[in-house]
Amino acid sequence: EIVLTQSPTTTAASPGEKVTITCLANSSVTNMFWYQQKSGASPKLLIYSTSSLASGVPDRFSGSGSGTSYSLTINTMEAEDAATYYCQQWSSNPYTFGAGTKLELK
Amino acid sequence: EVKLLESGGGLVQPGGSMRLSCAASGFTFTDFYMYWIRQPAGKAPEWLGLIRNKANGYTTEYNLSVKGRFTISRDNTQNMLYLQMNTLRAEDTATYYCARWVGGFDSWGQGVMVTVSS
Repeated sequence: EIVLTQSPTTTAASPGEKVTITCLANSSVTNMFWYQQKSGASPKLLIYSTSSLASGVPDRFSGSGSGTSYSLTINTMEAEDAATYYCQQWSSNPYTFGAGTKLELK
Repeated sequence: EVKLLESGGGLVQPGGSMRLSCAASGFTFTDFYMYWIRQPAGKAPEWLGLIRNKANGYTTEYNLSVKGRFTISRDNTQNMLYLQMNTLRAEDTATYYCARWVGGFDSWGQGVMVTVSS
């Protein structure tokens, strides 16, 4: 099973601040997907195929990486970005998620 | 607009069974792989399994953690997805989601809560 380790577990950012969340895989994966989940809501797809923005996602979000190391960046933090973020791999069954990064507004 | 609406959750005793349903609308159901994902409170989502589309014979694939206990099926005449869960355990307590894959889980239902407890 591919294990995805996210860091940090929790973080806080002020409006306008840059935020980077990393996701390390214990085996190489072809692509990474990123989801945002707000309290009480279903997860929402943010980034697919490592670096492509899902429909309607603001361009302050970006993704990058390859092999075993991937990252999600929020270029300028906004209040509405406070949420939990999960990475997810699609390279091998079971299609695992990271444990999540909780992002709070400072 | 793509819509997915789960139903059928609730409280069940350990060792019991439950069937979840997911009503799909707004897209050509038979064209898409469909999935079940669950999320225990405060934890990460866990992929449970998938059922392929018409072009791929509606075959299924499961996470080993539930294989043999959970069964995914679909009724393509009604645009319905199902998850039959047997021999339920306390650790199966979670919110269960159906989802569609289009280069990512691009659409999720609102989720249905399943509690396994005596």
